[in-house]
Amino acid sequence: QPVLTQPPSASASLGASVTLTCNLSSGYSNYKVDWYQQRPGKGPRFVMRVGTGGIVGSKGDGIPDRFSVLGSGLNRYLTIKNIQEEDESDYHCGADHGSGSNFVWVFGGGTKLTVL
Amino acid sequence: QVQLVQSGAEVKKPGASVKVSCKASEYTFTTYYIHWVRQAPGQGLEWMGIINPSGGSTTYAQKFQGRVTMTSDTSTSTVYMELSSLRSEDTAVYYCARGGIIPNLRGELDYWGQGTLVTVSS
Repeated sequence: QPVLTQPPSASASLGASVTLTCNLSSGYSNYKVDWYQQRPGKGPRFVMRVGTGGIVGSKGDGIPDRFSVLGSGLNRYLTIKNIQEEDESDYHCGADHGSGSNFVWVFGGGTKLTVL
Repeated sequence: QVQLVQSGAEVKKPGASVKVSCKASEYTFTTYYIHWVRQAPGQGLEWMGIINPSGGSTTYAQKFQGRVTMTSDTSTSTVYMELSSLRSEDTAVYYCARGGIIPNLRGELDYWGQGTLVTVSS
């Protein structure tokens, strides 16, 4: 099954842009990854799914246009433009693997985004 | 608006069991998978398993096999997650989340419950 790796922290100034990275382990370059936002003290919220061709399907409810994704090789990116205070959150990436009784879902360790 | 409403916080002693409920509304309950995911304090997300609310079939993460049981009650649109032989490391917030449209296991987790804090302490 894939291993998803995320840097533990990132920061950006109010109004700036930031790109968060989720790295898939070798051999899983065709995998799609989901991004989830988790505001302090809250549960996760689906942002969007990304493959090598970009967004897959639709964004989650209420996700603004400032959020976009790209995929390249083993990396899946979430870019946030014109960062707002409300974007300060933990961002988790996740992916499914296998089928039937071998089905699993794996998450990265999460990236804590601080808005300066 | 799709809603998943979970039961309240629990405090359990080591060795006990806990059963958390997740009541779904505003969509056809038997159409989508439900996942369970937990998050220990200050840690990341950990997937526990998935249930088909219609037939009750389940797949559990290897780590929890033998200790976790997921069930569903279609009459009340509620799924349950029971974890037994609790230890201090099971202290976490437990979330249910709606997954893909059956039979597509690979759908995103698009709606989440509010979380249930389970504290294991002697």
